[in-house]
Amino acid sequence: RKEVEQDPGPFNVPEGATVAFNCTYSNSASQSFFWYRQDCRKEPKLLMSVYSSGNEDGRFTAQLNRASQYISLLIRDSKLSDSATYLCVVFNSGTYKYIFGTGTRLKVLA
Amino acid sequence: NAGVTQTPKFRVLKTGQSMTLLCAQDMNHEYMYWYRQDPGMGLRLIHYSVGEGTTAKGEVPDGYNVSRLKKQNFLLGLESAAPSQTSVYFCASSPDGLNAEFFGPGTRLTVL
Repeated sequence: RKEVEQDPGPFNVPEGATVAFNCTYSNSASQSFFWYRQDCRKEPKLLMSVYSSGNEDGRFTAQLNRASQYISLLIRDSKLSDSATYLCVVFNSGTYKYIFGTGTRLKVLA
Repeated sequence: NAGVTQTPKFRVLKTGQSMTLLCAQDMNHEYMYWYRQDPGMGLRLIHYSVGEGTTAKGEVPDGYNVSRLKKQNFLLGLESAAPSQTSVYFCASSPDGLNAEFFGPGTRLTVL
């Protein structure tokens, strides 16, 4: 079983739609959680950190459920520019490693 | 602040040649990482460092060596390049695990 798992998609949604991605992690000692976006042939860029109380940044909302070991990302009012691959990332403090999911592809359609 | 920079951006090697990829960060970060990403695949950790003078193996270290002689620089070496090392190489740095890591723009390497 992979340490961080995501549905690879693709998710094809119309502009203006709300879309949600989930990610599960297996190491209960994981310390920090993040969502990144990666555009084709570009480097991953931090979208937002994920805090235990949940956090929001504009149209993006991230939630963490430590008991069930999953992280979610909600995108409201999708824009064409949101089309990208979204990576779920977990930091393992025991090994000093950031563990990446393989990503969920989102395509927002006009 | 330049953030994380990588040199070179592109490189074509012949099988058996050697080269060094340079990663530099100006954010005084302790942790630095080298990843490779192949088409349709996720990021795979090659080597990493949690401080100047320290290095550790990641998921796919074979065929690569690293050095962190200065805090701001993390070098990735290919001693004898193989076609299987054709990939995009990303470097990243972070201040600590509580914070996110920041990536360089990548180096596209082709080994013929």
